[in-house]
Amino acid sequence: DTAVSQTPKYLVTQMGNDKSIKCEQNLGHDTMYWYKQDSKKFLKIMFSYNNKELIINETVPNRFSPKSPDKAHLNLHINSLELGDSAVYFCASSPSIAGGVQFFGPGTRLTVL
Amino acid sequence: GQSLEQPSEVTAVEGAIVQINCTYQTSGFYGLSWYQQHDGGAPTFLSYNALDGLEETGRFSSFLSRSDSYGYLLLQELQMKDSASYFCAVNGAGSYQLTFGKGTKLSVIP
Repeated sequence: DTAVSQTPKYLVTQMGNDKSIKCEQNLGHDTMYWYKQDSKKFLKIMFSYNNKELIINETVPNRFSPKSPDKAHLNLHINSLELGDSAVYFCASSPSIAGGVQFFGPGTRLTVL
Repeated sequence: GQSLEQPSEVTAVEGAIVQINCTYQTSGFYGLSWYQQHDGGAPTFLSYNALDGLEETGRFSSFLSRSDSYGYLLLQELQMKDSASYFCAVNGAGSYQLTFGKGTKLSVIP
């Protein structure tokens, strides 16, 4: 199936640990994103890559580091996890760098204990 | 910067029509998008308006007035499965990103 996929779907971990979330899209899009959705369902952009180049880097703690090994993949590594990092993280891709039309992955629910 | 306003909750009866409004402020403007998100699910793209007017896709329509910085999503023949959160989002010229509103929780009742 053509889609945006993320792994894992659920992630439960202790404070202070380091974890990664992987994202892959087979839609042939050049632009990919990471969003954080908090408990109030507010969707906030974290990062965007276009053709493996970082184009958006919002005010996010530097414990969060994205990596795009190729156009189809955008991974998110989080160091020294904190309680406030608990949220749902969505990966998305877009056929255009303008980004009006985006296709989201299923999300990764991160719980930090 | 960019900001959007939309109602936090709307309730409507099955079979009825509901309109979800969105006003925005942005420096530069590419377009207004709408996304649907069911509880526990991912946002799903519904529509994108770059020009003024009404775009219709099945039971859903989206309208944009750039001069008023205003748009709406119109859902007709409401079904129970339409119960979800609906987000408007704007991408401003040169920003390469979508800024989302806080979402409108639509509850469809029998």
